[in-house]
Order: sequence, then C-alpha cells, then structure tokens
Amino acid sequence: NAGVMQNPRHLVRRRGQEARLRCSPMKGHSHVYWYRQLPEEGLKFMVYLQKENIIDESGMPKERFSAEFPKEGPSILRIQQVVRGDSAAYFCASSPPLLTIHTEAFFGQGTRLTVV
Amino acid sequence: DQQVKQNSPSLSVQEGRISILNCDYTNSMFDYFLWYKKYPAEGPTFLISISSIKDKNEDGRFTVFLNKSAKHLSLHIVPSQPGDSAVYFCAASVAGTSYGKLTFGQGTILTVHP
Repeated sequence: NAGVMQNPRHLVRRRGQEARLRCSPMKGHSHVYWYRQLPEEGLKFMVYLQKENIIDESGMPKERFSAEFPKEGPSILRIQQVVRGDSAAYFCASSPPLLTIHTEAFFGQGTRLTVV
Repeated sequence: DQQVKQNSPSLSVQEGRISILNCDYTNSMFDYFLWYKKYPAEGPTFLISISSIKDKNEDGRFTVFLNKSAKHLSLHIVPSQPGDSAVYFCAASVAGTSYGKLTFGQGTILTVHP
C-alpha cells in the first residue's frame, strides 16, 4: 500500500525557469493538499484540490503559482519564473473522499526546491 | 498573524523522563487539533489528534491535552525514548472546512538523550 508519492525529491532551478512538482495521492484518496515549508518555519497551506477541481486556493501566491489535479495522473504544482524566495520544501498530502473526525491527511516526503 | 504558536523552539529531555510540548492557538473556530512528528528530509507523520469536544486523548506513550478556555494544548510523551527525537508540529483545522486544510505551528525540536 504505497503512501503519498512526490517527485522529484530534489529540484534545482535557475532563476526565471519553471518548476513542476508532482504528487500521486494514496490509493483511494481523491483529495490533495499542497503545503510549503520555508526554512525555520512551519508548513503553510497553499491549495486544496479534488479531481479536476480547485476547492480552496486561499494560500496560493497570486502570481506565478498554479496547481492542477487532472482526471488521470498526478497533481502538479507549477511555479513559473522561479525566484530565490521560492526555495523551500513543498509537501503534498492526501485524504479519502469522506473525511471523518477520525481521519487525517497523509503527507508525502516532500520536494526540496532550490533556486540558484 | 500566527494563529497556531509553539513558543519553545527546542526541548531537551533525558531518556525515560516525560516530554511536554506546548501549543497555543488564537482562532476560536478551530475544532480539531493534531500533532505531527517530522524527521529531517521526510514528510510529517501523524501522531495523535483531539476533537474540541474532548479534553484528553491517549495513545500508548502519547497523550494530548486540550484546554479550550486557555486555547492551549499539550503533548505528553512518557517515557521519552531517543527515537522520539524529531520536530513536533501542532496543527489545527476549522469546522466546516476539509480536515486536510491545516494551520501549523512553527515546530519544536525534541532531543531525547540516552
């Protein structure tokens, strides 16, 4: 029973390039969440998606960042024209369709983005 | 505005003793609280949770206490083991939203010495 899979684990991009981060949720999970952790800080919610729908993007920066979760394939977090301040660990979490009070989201191992 | 705060960046404890990690929150809409454990270069792993209708939840060596009037929760680990050394994050969610949308504290680095 594979967990939440994120790839790549490490990504290096030059300023101005695009970064694409992928997340495959756990089997049976149709809800995906993206979080960002800056150095010395906690995780910050970015966006919540279901298949083909963005449910809550209140934590997404207004420009350069976008996310999708297509009908087939992984969820993608896309950062255009990266800047040094985008360097962070990006975590994906997934949960089953129906959340109860006893269910928690499961996190992947993260993608560490370094912008040089 | 930091709605979930962990005011102790680090905690050092001797093996076998109790570890107490604290967390304060400001948003009275939070109704579900969780603790996650994180090792370097890994994702957070769920540890224990508590609903706002309870004031205590226990799971083996881990107990979470919730004081709603003080907007404070704590995680007790008894007895502490060297393998417990990690970063511990407190997190909270709001009623009416998905339980996967969490507000995290800054984390507390726990070191358990043999």
